[in-house]
Amino acid sequence: AQSVTQLGSHVSVSEGALVLLRCNYSSSVPPYLFWYVQYPNQGLQLLLKYTTGATLVKGINGFEAEFKKSETSFHLTKPSAHMSDAAEYFCAVSDRLNQGGKLIFGQGTELSVKP
Amino acid sequence: ETGVTQSPTHLIKTRGQQVTLRCSSQSGHNTVSWYQQALGQGPQFIFQYYREEENGRGNFPPRFSGLQFPNYSSELNVNALELDDSALYLCASSRESRGGNEKLFFGSGTQLSVL
Repeated sequence: AQSVTQLGSHVSVSEGALVLLRCNYSSSVPPYLFWYVQYPNQGLQLLLKYTTGATLVKGINGFEAEFKKSETSFHLTKPSAHMSDAAEYFCAVSDRLNQGGKLIFGQGTELSVKP
Repeated sequence: ETGVTQSPTHLIKTRGQQVTLRCSSQSGHNTVSWYQQALGQGPQFIFQYYREEENGRGNFPPRFSGLQFPNYSSELNVNALELDDSALYLCASSRESRGGNEKLFFGSGTQLSVL
């Protein structure tokens, strides 16, 4: 069975500071890994995904994540936070036998950005 | 490209009633997935439909059922509503192919309150 654990339900950073959102996964098969962002009263938007190949994945809005198999982690980072980054972030996993719709999501991390 | 649209945006029902939620997939997409997102939680996979047939189901009871129509729009039906069914219901569409794991596009959701 697959699962995702996001460490920290709330993260607060100052504008311009490094953003680090943590995600650990469990999967018995090589995983596909995703980060989604959810703004208030909106659906989820894909930030980035890891399937195969390069373990450092770059996404939209300056975010990136690194797949570390030995640590079963897929942490999301952004060098400099912007006020518009304030939102809920979800890490998700799927196995390579399933189509993209069957995702297992973590509990989410709410990111606050202070001026 | 048109996006994924869901209706209604908000709905209030009483325990024991039945509800139908609707989703119009993004143009060109043949797969739709439904998720339940309880307050403060990550989305949980309910089921997926591909070419009008159920193509995988999460841990939800049979009173959660769905349909996908020839134009790839979809319905989620919930019978005998319970208080715990109160949640945001998200629809996501994708275009499945041999490569698998196509990008999911989420709607803004239907907020269901069961009183």
